[in-house]
Parts: sequence; C-alpha cells; structure tokens
Amino acid sequence: KAGVTQTPRYLIKTRGQQVTLSCSPISGHRSVSWYQQTPGQGLQFLFEYFSETQRNKGNFPGRFSGRQFSNSRSEMNVSTLELGDSALYLCASSLRLISGTGELFFGEGSRLTVL
Amino acid sequence: QQQVKQSPQSLIVQKGGIPIINCAYENTAFDYFPWYQQFPGKGPALLIAIRPDVSEKKEGRFTISFNKSAKQFSLHIMDSQPGDSATYFCAASDSNSGYALNFGKGTSLLVTP
Repeated sequence: KAGVTQTPRYLIKTRGQQVTLSCSPISGHRSVSWYQQTPGQGLQFLFEYFSETQRNKGNFPGRFSGRQFSNSRSEMNVSTLELGDSALYLCASSLRLISGTGELFFGEGSRLTVL
Repeated sequence: QQQVKQSPQSLIVQKGGIPIINCAYENTAFDYFPWYQQFPGKGPALLIAIRPDVSEKKEGRFTISFNKSAKQFSLHIMDSQPGDSATYFCAASDSNSGYALNFGKGTSLLVTP
C-alpha cells in the first residue's frame, strides 16, 4: 500500500511569491491534515480536511489556505511568502472516526525555502 | 503558546540504557497522548499512544507512563539500540479537535554503541 505522497519535495521561492503544495493520502483515507515543522517552533498544526470540508484550523494567518478534492487529495497554498515561512510542510492522512482522534500517517514533507 | 512542554531537548545514552523523555500539559480537556518518532528526512511515525483512563501502556520496548493528576506523561525506551537514534515528539489532543495535535518541541536521542 502506497504511503502519503507529497510534491514537490523541495522548492525555493522568493519573498512575495506564492506556493502550492500537494498531498495524496493513503488509499481509503479521507482525512488530510497539514503541519508546519521548523527548528524553532517544532510541529504546528495548520488545518485538517475531511470530505472536502475544513474541520479544524490552527493559529496561522489567512495567507495559509488549503482545500481537499473529491478523491481526498489535498493542496495547501501560501500567498505573499515571508522569510519565516521557510519550513518543512508535512501532510498526514488518517482514517477519520466520527469523533475522537487516531493515528496520523505522515508523508516525507515538502521543504520550502524562502529567499 | 506551547501547550505541551517536552524535555530534555537532547539525550545521549549508551546501548542498553533506558532513555526517559518527559512531557507536561495544562489543558485538562486533552484525552489522547501519542508519541511520534522521526528519522532524518522522514515524516514522523506513530510509536505508541495512551488515553487517560490507564496509567501505563507497553508496546515492545516502549512504555508510556501517564500521571493524570500531575498532567505529565513520559516515554521510556527499554534496552535502547543505536537504531532508536531519532527525534521523539510527544503530543496531545482532545476529542473535539480531532487530528489537531499539539506537539512538544521534540527530543533528539542518540544511542551510542
């Protein structure tokens, strides 16, 4: 069974540009979550999507947005990039239960460098 | 602010030793406490998780101890091996927040031969 696939794996952008990252979840998983990982702040929750609807959102500015498609694939977008957006962006999929939580299966991430 | 505080930041033990990583939280609504292991260049992977109705859970060489009154939990790795060298993250969430995990800042563990 294929794992969570994230593309691109590496990218370099300049300040003010925007970026779109893609995530394909494990087959059968309908929930996709996004996390930002930096050395200073660690892993921080961005948002979660289930059945094409955003279910939860972390404490990030509106420049960070996402969406989920009918095949459960997800994209996140960061507009007007800032130097501080340089990070590893991790996508995780899961078999979402009606309530509660469970195991997250992470991809290897997309490493974004903003110059 | 960081909702889950993790210590130590780094840890070096000899093969066969028992590294212990500690985490503390404030939000009493948290009811799910997983530990994730991350190797360089890889995403985190679930190691073991506990819910507050039990005080201890073992899976292989990994044990979580949970102290609800102190709002603390810890990971013990028995008979540690060089292959256990990785970064370990504790996390916490509540049922209403689903998969919005609050992670600690991580502990870099090195197990020397």
